[in-house]
Order: sequence, then structure tokens, then C-alpha cells
Amino acid sequence: DQQVKQNSPSLSVQEGRISILNCDYTNSMFDYFLWYKKYPAEGPTFLISISSIKDKNEDGRFTVFLNKSAKHLSLHIVPSQPGDSAVYFCAASFSGNTPLVFGKGTRLSVIA
Amino acid sequence: DSGVTQTPKHLITATGQRVTLRCSPRSGDLSVYWYQQSLDQGLQFLIHYYNGEERAKGNILERFSAQQFPDLHSELNLSSLELGDSALYFCASSARPTSFEQYFGPGTRLTVT
Repeated sequence: DQQVKQNSPSLSVQEGRISILNCDYTNSMFDYFLWYKKYPAEGPTFLISISSIKDKNEDGRFTVFLNKSAKHLSLHIVPSQPGDSAVYFCAASFSGNTPLVFGKGTRLSVIA
Repeated sequence: DSGVTQTPKHLITATGQRVTLRCSPRSGDLSVYWYQQSLDQGLQFLIHYYNGEERAKGNILERFSAQQFPDLHSELNLSSLELGDSALYFCASSARPTSFEQYFGPGTRLTVT
């Protein structure tokens, strides 16, 4: 039973345009959400996070939006760059000593 | 470079065998997490150690075990290997016992033939 779902396995975007990666979750107890980026032959790298008390968090070109009522979050990358081409994982957690629950990832390709 | 090291990078072995994967966390990090990523799957949490003690267990098979040593490095032992155990195994570390921002190593790719 997938508690964190990334329904789009892949996404292609032109350089300079906006990339929007989506993530849905089923457990309303999740209160902390993260995005990780993964290049081939490397481990995932932490990108940005958001607490459930917020609905938006911004860090440079990356913004994460959280819609608790829809149990949905999204990662916006503006403007997209070829170096952003990677697999992006959404993850969620409860407060306290609980592990991260990851989605299956979305492969983003930014075309020059 | 996350500062987390994993050895070996690749491992090819036969069914029924036993292997040990090693992880060294970032300097100063006390928490070590192990994850398994099978083909087309997300990262599945296996186990978490903090300062030598087991803190949480995920979907870890009984054939698998782990430990964290006094120098904080960790080992994941996989025994009676099956074809389905072929996967990428990642180790991650964090400073605190409940830090959500984990730093991942490059992974060990295990192939069971």
C-alpha cells in the first residue's frame, strides 16, 4: 500500500520553463514533507522540505506547495535548467522517531 | 559529496550466499539509516540506528540484520540471498535521532545471480 504516490514516472520540460512535479499522500498523520533529487550513480540529495503548518516554502528556484485538504504537494522549479535533469523523490514523515516514506520518483528531463 | 561513504559500490554474488555492506556516516552524525531500492520502486526503509542502538525497523527481512559499531560505522548483513534481493542499498546519516534531513551515500548495487 503506497502511502506516498508520485503518479508521473517521467516529465519533460524545455529549458527556461517551469517544471511541476506532483506528489499525493494518503495518511493525514504525515506532518513533514521533503523532496530529494537523485542523479545516476549517486545517492539522493536533500532539496527542500515543508512542515504541515505551512502551505509554501521557497528556496531559490525551488518552491514546494502543500495542500493538506487534498493531501497533495508539488515541487515547482523555475526556470528549469538542464542540470535539473534527475529523478525527484517525494518523502513524508510523522513527527518523532519515524522513518521517511518515499514515493517511487519522477524522472525529470530538461531539454535545452 | 554527502560525506557518507558506502562499500563496496558493486557486489555480484550467488543465491544462498551472505554479504556484508558497509557504511560510514558523515563526521559527527550519530544516526544511520538503511534503505533498499528495487527496480522501479521507491526507497524502502529497512532499519535505523542511533549511537549504536536500534531505533526503528521497517520492512526488513529476518534474513537481514544490521548493527552500528562504537566508531559509528554500520554494517548491513544479508544472508541466504535470493534473486529478489538484487537492489540498490543506500545508507543515510543524520545528526539527530529524528532528523528528517538525511544525507545519503552513493549506494551499493547488489546483484544476486
